[in-house]
Amino acid sequence: DVKVTQSSRYLVKRTGEKVFLECVQDMDHENMFWYRQDPGLGLRLIYFSYDVKMKEKGDIPEGYSVSREKKERFSLILESASTNQTSMYLCASQTGISYEQYFGPGTRLTVT
Amino acid sequence: AQSVTQLDSQVPVFEEAPVELRCNYSSSVSVYLFWYVQYPNQGLQLLLKYLSGSTLVKGINGFEAEFNKSQTSFHLRKPSVHISDTAEYFCAVSDGGGSEKLVFGKGTKLTVNP
Repeated sequence: DVKVTQSSRYLVKRTGEKVFLECVQDMDHENMFWYRQDPGLGLRLIYFSYDVKMKEKGDIPEGYSVSREKKERFSLILESASTNQTSMYLCASQTGISYEQYFGPGTRLTVT
Repeated sequence: AQSVTQLDSQVPVFEEAPVELRCNYSSSVSVYLFWYVQYPNQGLQLLLKYLSGSTLVKGINGFEAEFNKSQTSFHLRKPSVHISDTAEYFCAVSDGGGSEKLVFGKGTKLTVNP
């Protein structure tokens, strides 16, 4: 079974802090994604990566950056956290054959 | 680019009743279609997928969905729901045009009452 793990389930940070969210997958997938999920808005794509060191902006990249130095690991970085970035963050990896995405358990981030 | 509409944001039903969660997408070009389920404080889990072939797709936990190309719909059904089916359900469609991204609907919260 594909496993996608995220470094934290719950995280509380202060405004202005730099925040790192880590995601690791164990199935050698090329594609990885970061989404944020807010009530009533569904999943919104922040960034995705289709190979090591390759990335592409999603629908809401402002205030975020990403890093993919190794195939299995995709990091989301909040350079200076703000309260409007309080949200659930979901990581996914994807097989290129069927486009099916496999999700991690999510990180609920609170910025105070 | 695709867009996905889940017509009901909340669906309350009684246990053992049938349920249909509706999903429409915007483009009739060749698509891959998915339904995911999210239990409270968890990630998304695949329920079922349509890639090609039979338009009636069966998934886990007794769910099924029907792909209707002419109506650009992919509605999810279960003939008899359980309390444990209470969750949020997301429809997703491949974005097309060579992109491997998925476009997600805003979700339908299914609440099964005793």
